[in-house]
Amino acid sequence: AQKVTQAQTEISVVEKEDVTLDCVYETRDTTYYLFWYKQPPSGELVFLIRRNSFDEQNEISGRYSWNFQKSTSSFNFTITASQVVDSAVYFCARRTKYSGGGADGLTFGKGTHLIIQP
Amino acid sequence: DGGITQSPKYLFRKEGQNVTLSCEQNLNHDAMYWYRQDPGQGLRLIYYSQIVNDFQKGDIAEGYSVSREKKESFPLTVTSAQKNPTAFYLCASSPRDRVYEQYFGPGTRLTVT
Repeated sequence: AQKVTQAQTEISVVEKEDVTLDCVYETRDTTYYLFWYKQPPSGELVFLIRRNSFDEQNEISGRYSWNFQKSTSSFNFTITASQVVDSAVYFCARRTKYSGGGADGLTFGKGTHLIIQP
Repeated sequence: DGGITQSPKYLFRKEGQNVTLSCEQNLNHDAMYWYRQDPGQGLRLIYYSQIVNDFQKGDIAEGYSVSREKKESFPLTVTSAQKNPTAFYLCASSPRDRVYEQYFGPGTRLTVT
């Protein structure tokens, strides 16, 4: 299986600091999709962004930004001026083919637990 | 409101008992999925279903069973054969034309003692 690696298990910063969550993916495909999800303490996964391999433009949404670098197979996520409400587990994922039936789906990294201290 | 419902939020069972986790969606999605989440392990796929009356094993299907009799419903049974059933279980669904775009339910935390 083509893996998604989130090397940072846990990050702790003080509120208002900027923080970057790393994501490195493996791929043999020419076209692919990458995703970021947020999992707050309540448990539900919240979709943040989808990026396809055609589009290498960086994306900004408010305090969130994503840096997609095909040359290094990375799709990093930066939170600017972090807030306590940003505390959550963040997952990076990529589109994949499931081995069972060959259907499209998602392969997730192990997640990064982000703690924002007041 | 459209969405995915999982009930209950917390479930407790004795070892040796089968238990069924509910997942219902009213998004009119064709595909549905079950994931297991353990601390530090990320999400691992248990089973998925692309269409009614069809489902496929994921990476960790042993000790689990599913059914897909209705489009809206994809219940997961954790059997007594599952060696370490205590975990957080997440259900998801996706539309036919964007199956990689998964929407998640709130999850069920199962504790087996």
